[in-house]
Amino acid sequence: AQSVTQLGSHVSVSEGALVLLRCNYSSSVPPYLFWYVQYPNQGLQLLLKYTSAATLVKGINGFEAEFKKSETSFHLTKPSAHMSDAAEYFCAVSNQAGTALIFGKGTTLSVSS
Amino acid sequence: DTEVTQTPKHLVMGMTNKKSLKCEQHMGHRAMYWYKQKAKKPPELMFVYSYEKLSINESVPSRFSPECPNSSLLNLHLHALQPEDSALYLCASSQDSGVGQYFGAGTRLSVL
Repeated sequence: AQSVTQLGSHVSVSEGALVLLRCNYSSSVPPYLFWYVQYPNQGLQLLLKYTSAATLVKGINGFEAEFKKSETSFHLTKPSAHMSDAAEYFCAVSNQAGTALIFGKGTTLSVSS
Repeated sequence: DTEVTQTPKHLVMGMTNKKSLKCEQHMGHRAMYWYKQKAKKPPELMFVYSYEKLSINESVPSRFSPECPNSSLLNLHLHALQPEDSALYLCASSQDSGVGQYFGAGTRLSVL
């Protein structure tokens, strides 16, 4: 069965520092992987998705993620954090039938000035 | 336009009330979803509609009743809810399976 594990429930960085949010997946078939961001009192916004094309995926707001099959990882990075990046981030994988998303538990990103 | 619109944004209801949540998308997506999200938790899938037919019901209590009147609209009818049903209810849509879902801003429901 498909699953994702997000390492670190809370990550704190300084403004301008590298952002690294970790996600490992488990899948018996080539996965479709996603990163979503949720700002307080809002819905989820799709940041980027991996659908078996390029392994380095660029998303919105300067974020990118690299699919590494050997490490079963899909970590999210951003070179320089902004205060506006503070939010909850969810990694997700499509289930085998492709009919639903399976979410990780989420990582809260805090950015300090 | 990647917008999914949910109404109302906030809803307070008593345990004997009947209310409905509404969701609308005009992206031509053929799959629509209802999720429930508690504070500090990931969304939990409730229902999936594919081509206007209910394809997944994740063992949701019958006090939640989904309806898909057409390919652009999705409703969630609520009746005799419990206080533990208080949560953020999210609607999402996708063009096809595996290509990513687009979420609405949600309805924050409080059951008194």
